[in-house]
Amino acid sequence: DAEITQSPRHKITETGRQVTLACHQTWNHNNMFWYRQDLGHGLRLIHYSYGVQDTNKGEVSDGYSVSRSNTEDLPLTLESAASSQTSVYFCASRDSSGSNEQFFGPGTRLTVL
Amino acid sequence: RKEVEQDPGPFNVPEGATVAFNCTYSNSASQSFFWYRQDCRKEPKLLMSVYSSGNEDGRFTAQLNRASQYISLLIRDSKLSDSATYLCVVKGDSNYQLIWGAGTKLIIKP
Repeated sequence: DAEITQSPRHKITETGRQVTLACHQTWNHNNMFWYRQDLGHGLRLIHYSYGVQDTNKGEVSDGYSVSRSNTEDLPLTLESAASSQTSVYFCASRDSSGSNEQFFGPGTRLTVL
Repeated sequence: RKEVEQDPGPFNVPEGATVAFNCTYSNSASQSFFWYRQDCRKEPKLLMSVYSSGNEDGRFTAQLNRASQYISLLIRDSKLSDSATYLCVVKGDSNYQLIWGAGTKLIIKP
């Protein structure tokens, strides 16, 4: 069955370190997204991609970067982790055929000390 | 004002009861509307889309009121397994942009 996976599931890091969160999908979807979820807020879009070599900034992109070298993967990098980036991160993908449904990975819980 | 607003709850409801909650949105140009369900510490999953004429899926009914800019979700004959957070999602005017509410927590009690 097609799926979307994220790793690691939990991560504790220190302020200033570079961190990369992996996202891998086997849906063969062109569209991929990274969100963060914090208490009292809805999911907020960090970056998104419509296909290989395409990346775009979302509403909370500062301090994050992504790259899309193939269809399956969209890794999210925190250049220099800050305590404000402690959050739960969800990766999602969507078919570009017109369906609005997004399929989510299980999430990565990141703590920055 | 947030673009999508929901009552955070929690709504504590006895099993078998009917419960309804609303979600308001600020952008009158919004085109598509959805309810997602999120279980504790899990990923969101699509529950149902919301159509202009209203739609039903088993015990769940979703309605859209464009004039007042809100959508609603009604759950009939609630089950213990309905306990979750329900996320209201509005599609903006671009191809990718989904605007997410912070969610309404529902607890069904035996």
